[in-house]
Amino acid sequence: GAVVSQHPSWVICKSGTSVKIECRSLDFQATTMFWYRQFPKQSLMLMATSNEGSKATYEQGVEKDKFLINHASLTLSTLTVTSAHPEDSSFYICSAPRDRGTYGYTFGSGTRLTVV
Amino acid sequence: GEDVEQSLFLSVREGDSSVINCTYTDSSSTYLYWYKQEPGAGLQLLTYIFSNMDMKQDQRLTVLLNKKDKHLSLRIADTQTGDSAIYFCAGTSGTYKYIFGTGTRLKVLA
Repeated sequence: GAVVSQHPSWVICKSGTSVKIECRSLDFQATTMFWYRQFPKQSLMLMATSNEGSKATYEQGVEKDKFLINHASLTLSTLTVTSAHPEDSSFYICSAPRDRGTYGYTFGSGTRLTVV
Repeated sequence: GEDVEQSLFLSVREGDSSVINCTYTDSSSTYLYWYKQEPGAGLQLLTYIFSNMDMKQDQRLTVLLNKKDKHLSLRIADTQTGDSAIYFCAGTSGTYKYIFGTGTRLKVLA
């Protein structure tokens, strides 16, 4: 149980276009979704926290207008990279809390974004 | 802020034990976790330890916690080629906001 489905797995887009990444909780309700960015051979960097029905909370240094996060329902959170540039190329991963007792996360499988 | 450090690489032979180490600066974490990431994939929770425990064993995995030295380790017994991956330690102080370590790339040689 506690599966988070993330799509697409990989995407290539042209500079200046926008890309939407979706994360769905399949068998549980995710009132909170965390969005991470991971550069090659590096750790995960928390970008923002989305909460169903309210505005996302962005970490310091993350551009809100660049990375639009929407958490419209208890099972869907989306990250839209707007006006993408090559430096936005990265691996994006979402995760949702799955265990209130131990604060364990369930992670999506990640999206490899390449901007050309 | 919290710093969580890990050695970058570890190479072991199949069948040997692997020990992955992690040091952290903030001792307020209620739980400490070990996650596994295979190439091009998300993270998989392997195990976790409550901060008032010294050791936890889960099949081939043994977690040791030394709170005094702020040191956490993950031992994998009888390491297999399928264990090759990146391993992250992470801490949280009672919320869902994690701080991840830098990750250790484990390579298992056949």
